[in-house]
Amino acid sequence: DAGVTQSPTHLIKTRGQQVTLRCSPISGHKSVSWYQQVLGQGPQFIFQYYEKEERGRGNFPDRFSARQFPNYSSELNVNALLLGDSALYLCASSTHGNTIYFGEGSWLTVV
Amino acid sequence: TQLLEQSPQFLSIQEGENLTVYCNSSSVFSSLQWYRQEPGEGPVLLVTVVTGGEVKKLKRLTFQFGDARKDSSLHITAAQTGDTGLYLCAGGYHPGGGADGLTFGKGTHLIIQP
Repeated sequence: DAGVTQSPTHLIKTRGQQVTLRCSPISGHKSVSWYQQVLGQGPQFIFQYYEKEERGRGNFPDRFSARQFPNYSSELNVNALLLGDSALYLCASSTHGNTIYFGEGSWLTVV
Repeated sequence: TQLLEQSPQFLSIQEGENLTVYCNSSSVFSSLQWYRQEPGEGPVLLVTVVTGGEVKKLKRLTFQFGDARKDSSLHITAAQTGDTGLYLCAGGYHPGGGADGLTFGKGTHLIIQP
């Protein structure tokens, strides 16, 4: 079975632009979470979606938004990009259990 | 304030040696997960522990969850060069991370020298 898949793997954007990152969870997983990992730090929680509804949100500004589709895939949108948004964006999927699986991530560089 | 403190932050040892990495918190977690991350890749799950005092073994890796479910340790026996990587611990307040997500430590950068 395929794991968590994310796209694109790498992208470069200019300050002020908008970006959309995509994630497909493991088959059968209904929960998707997004994390931001800046260099030298552990991942930080951004959003959790379950059954297409936002169930949790971390300490991130409103420029960050997400949604989950009927097939449980998800998109993360970031508007008005800042240099500080440069990071590895990780998607994770889980079931009702405790185990959470991460994708390979999308590397975003803002110049 | 870092909710999960990992120590040491950096560790470089010779192949064949043993090592222990610690993950400490003042919070009680319903579960704690250990991940290993290679440069430029996503974290790969090693183990999930949910019961206070629980010990899990994965080949040469031994994971322990503290009795009070606030801390954990990872012990590697006879380290190999392939063990090199960033080891992250992450605590969850709810199953599957839940509305609060996982809380990660900053990680331990482990280098095993041949």
